[in-house]
Amino acid sequence: DIVMTQSPDSLAVSLGERATINCKSSQSVLYSSNNKSYLAWYQQKPGQPPKVLIYWASTRESGVPDRFSGSGSGTDFTLTISSLQAEDVAVYYCQQYYSTPPIFTFGPGTKVDIK
Amino acid sequence: EVQLVESGGGLVKPGGSLRLSCAASGFTFSNAWMSWVRQAPGKGLEWIGRIKSKSDGGPTDYAAPVKGRFTISRDDSNNTVYMQMNSLKSEDTAVYYCTTVRWFGTFDHWGQGTLVTVSS
Repeated sequence: DIVMTQSPDSLAVSLGERATINCKSSQSVLYSSNNKSYLAWYQQKPGQPPKVLIYWASTRESGVPDRFSGSGSGTDFTLTISSLQAEDVAVYYCQQYYSTPPIFTFGPGTKVDIK
Repeated sequence: EVQLVESGGGLVKPGGSLRLSCAASGFTFSNAWMSWVRQAPGKGLEWIGRIKSKSDGGPTDYAAPVKGRFTISRDDSNNTVYMQMNSLKSEDTAVYYCTTVRWFGTFDHWGQGTLVTVSS
């Protein structure tokens, strides 16, 4: 199975500052035939279910603010919040959907707080 | 508006069984692929299984920890997806979320979850 790791476990960022979360997969999730990385990012606010933010590593879900961006390819990925807002306090998870037959796996999560 | 409402959670003894339901509305359920994802208290997310639409066919897929114990099914006439959970273990204690899943594997709509507690 593909194992996902994230760093850091948690971070505290001042309002308006940049937050960067890293995600690494134990094997490449880049599908060579379409040059897409099968990697998504989710946000889970306290007491709520997760919400998808990014898929194909860098495609923003409809309605997601453009301060959220995803980058990376292969095994190394980054979620960036360009200017942290109070409503961004949450746990962020990466997820790979590369495996066939499907074994979808999530990273352990990164908690983002306000400094 | 897409709505997914889970029910059927509760307290069950180790070795027992439980059936979760997820009532869907706001989209064409018969065309949707559905999944269950769980979250143990204070822990991360774990995918459990996926059922495709009847028209797309194919097997229902499961994660290794639940394969052979959990069974996902659907009733398109009632816009409901089910998960039968047998031989429950303490490590199955979690909030269980019903989700829609895109063909390529992202979970785009989530219910609020139902808590399953396995304890003697």
